[in-house]
Amino acid sequence: SYELTQPPSVSVSPGQTASITCSGDKLGDKYVCWYQQKPGQSPVLVIYQNSKRPSGIPERFSGSNSGNTATLTVSGTQAMDEADYYCQAWDSSTSYVFGTGTKVTVL
Amino acid sequence: QVQLVQSGAEVKKPGASVKVSCKASGYTFTTYAMHWVRQAPGQRLEWMGWINAGSGNTKYSQEFQGRVTITRDTSASTAYMELSSLRSEDTAVYYCGRGVGGVDNWGQGTLVTVSS
Repeated sequence: SYELTQPPSVSVSPGQTASITCSGDKLGDKYVCWYQQKPGQSPVLVIYQNSKRPSGIPERFSGSNSGNTATLTVSGTQAMDEADYYCQAWDSSTSYVFGTGTKVTVL
Repeated sequence: QVQLVQSGAEVKKPGASVKVSCKASGYTFTTYAMHWVRQAPGQRLEWMGWINAGSGNTKYSQEFQGRVTITRDTSASTAYMELSSLRSEDTAVYYCGRGVGGVDNWGQGTLVTVSS
């Protein structure tokens, strides 16, 4: 089965940039979404189709996808961005699969 | 506004089945797919399957193939997920979510506890 690997944790200082990677075989050939999940809450879509932001998501969230790696970048990280982040890939053969998840800590 | 309201928490014995509902409002139910995703305590999100709410076509994760059935009732704008042959490892929060390509709206989650 298809697997997506993320770093377990990322630490960032307030105002700095956090980059979260998601690795999978030929991931650049698939569409990637990113979700933010805070404790006890349902996930929230922050990036879809590799780099698009849903309405209401701050511009500091951006995404890219190429080769075997997709990246979620949070610029000017704020305390409210502390959460778990999951990538998700899909195509007609893969169906949908979630990454292993990354806990972002804002120090 | 889009709302997905799920049924309440369930406690089941091993070997039993559970059926969780997800009532949609605020949009045309048949124009979107509905996904089902679960999350065991402290674990990652896990995609289970989806249904095209218009056609009724389904696709399931191989992980759950044979144990999960996703259906919908268009007259009630409600999707259902039934999981059979429950075991303790199926204890999790089960979410429904709307979307194609990305899940842009999520239900509040339904806790299913499997315990003897």
